[in-house]
Amino acid sequence: DSGVTQTPKHLITATGQRVTLRCSPRSGDLSVYWYQQSLDQGLQFLIQYYNGEERAKGNILERFSAQQFPDLHSELNLSSLELGDSALYFCASSPHSTNEKLFFGSGTQLSVL
Amino acid sequence: DQQVKQNSPSLSVQEGRISILNCDYTNSMFDYFLWYKKYPAEGPTFLISISSIKDKNEDGRFTVFLNKSAKHLSLHIVPSQPGDSAVYFCAASLQTGANNLFFGTGTRLTVIP
Repeated sequence: DSGVTQTPKHLITATGQRVTLRCSPRSGDLSVYWYQQSLDQGLQFLIQYYNGEERAKGNILERFSAQQFPDLHSELNLSSLELGDSALYFCASSPHSTNEKLFFGSGTQLSVL
Repeated sequence: DQQVKQNSPSLSVQEGRISILNCDYTNSMFDYFLWYKKYPAEGPTFLISISSIKDKNEDGRFTVFLNKSAKHLSLHIVPSQPGDSAVYFCAASLQTGANNLFFGTGTRLTVIP
């Protein structure tokens, strides 16, 4: 158990809809990261937050947004969903923000039908 | 543009023998490298890391080698055990401070009893 909690584990929705994925980092970790893993692909970095502030941005679509709350949990909002958004979405956390390993949650499997 | 590449999608090794997983990268600004292991339905778990100032790091049965001039790193597992069967991801981070990791596409290791 990494200590990172992601909910829900599975999500099935329709095209055009909006969903919210939730992540609770390990106790004491200030950084939260979101990754997307599509079929047979590596993990693609989406966005990082550190202590409530956006720290780094990767290949995140404009239809996607995220935030980190004062209690350090984070939410990833995906809107106007398309079939191609179907993927495994991972959240990870780390104590700080530089040169350290990340601890991953077990992921949210999103299926857009 | 895939900055971290794992060109072997799969590898099969007999139990007790050595497993060698390879990874190449293109960005010379990467200064921290990690290997993660992933079992089905779980998030990636950290295995071993190496800083760019070193060329070798060892942890039990796992050793990571870094060749900066060739932009190549490898993970050696000796001896391989059936429980090592998983997908292994190579990852790298930049010197710039943000800790987002760039992942390869993974190599599926199967250790045959």
